[in-house]
Amino acid sequence: QQQVKQSPQSLIVQKGGISIINCAYENTAFDYFPWYQQFPGKGPALLIAIRPDVSEKKEGRFTISFNKSAKQFSLHIMDSQPGDSATYFCANTTYSGAGSYQLTFGKGTKLSVIP
Amino acid sequence: DTGVSQDPRHKITKRGQNVTFRCDPISEHNRLYWYRQTLGQGPEFLTYFQNEAQLEKSRLLSDRFSAERPKGSFSTLEIQRTEQGDSAMYLCASRTDGTHEQYFGPGTRLTVT
Repeated sequence: QQQVKQSPQSLIVQKGGISIINCAYENTAFDYFPWYQQFPGKGPALLIAIRPDVSEKKEGRFTISFNKSAKQFSLHIMDSQPGDSATYFCANTTYSGAGSYQLTFGKGTKLSVIP
Repeated sequence: DTGVSQDPRHKITKRGQNVTFRCDPISEHNRLYWYRQTLGQGPEFLTYFQNEAQLEKSRLLSDRFSAERPKGSFSTLEIQRTEQGDSAMYLCASRTDGTHEQYFGPGTRLTVT
C-alpha cells in the first residue's frame, strides 16, 4: 500500500501560535489531498482538502501548502486555540481501477494547544 | 443532511463470537467505504461499494469478514469467529459521484475479550 509519512507524531503549541504538520507521499493516483480532524471517540471529520492545481488553499485559520515536486504537503493552523486540540490526519488517494479512490492515511499528529 | 450514522457505537464480544455492524451513509451518496482504525494509527481501507456492488476489498479483509450493501443504501459489516486482533474502531465513509470528499461516521468501537 502506498505510504504517507506524517510528522511530527505529537505537537504542543501555545494558544495563539501556529501549528504546522507535514506529510510526504510516495505516489498518488489522484491529485486530491485531504486533512481530517479527529477528537477522541469520534470519527474523522474532513477539515480541508487541496487539489494541486493550486499550491495553497486557505479556509479560515487553516491553510494547506503543497509542493508537488517534493511530494510534500502541510497543514498550518493559525491562531491555534485549545479547541483545536485533536489528532490530525493527512491522506492521499489510491485508485485501483474499480472507481474506489480510497484514502491512505498518515499515522496522525496529536495536537495539544495549551492556554 | 443527517451525516453518516453507524450502529452500534460500542460492541464488546467474546472471542469466537460473530458480530455485525451497520452503516447508514449520507442520503444520495452512492459510494460507501469501510475502514478500520487501531489505536494510534490512521484509518486503513477495508472495502468499497458503488451502489450495491462491492468493487474492491483490501488484503486486510480476511475471509472471516463479509460486507454487504443489499439495496445500495445501508451497509453491514460482519466479522465471524472474532479474534482479539479484530479489536479496533470500524469506520464507515460515503461520498457521491463527481466528488472525492469522503465523510465519515462516528465509528463502531469493537472490543474482543
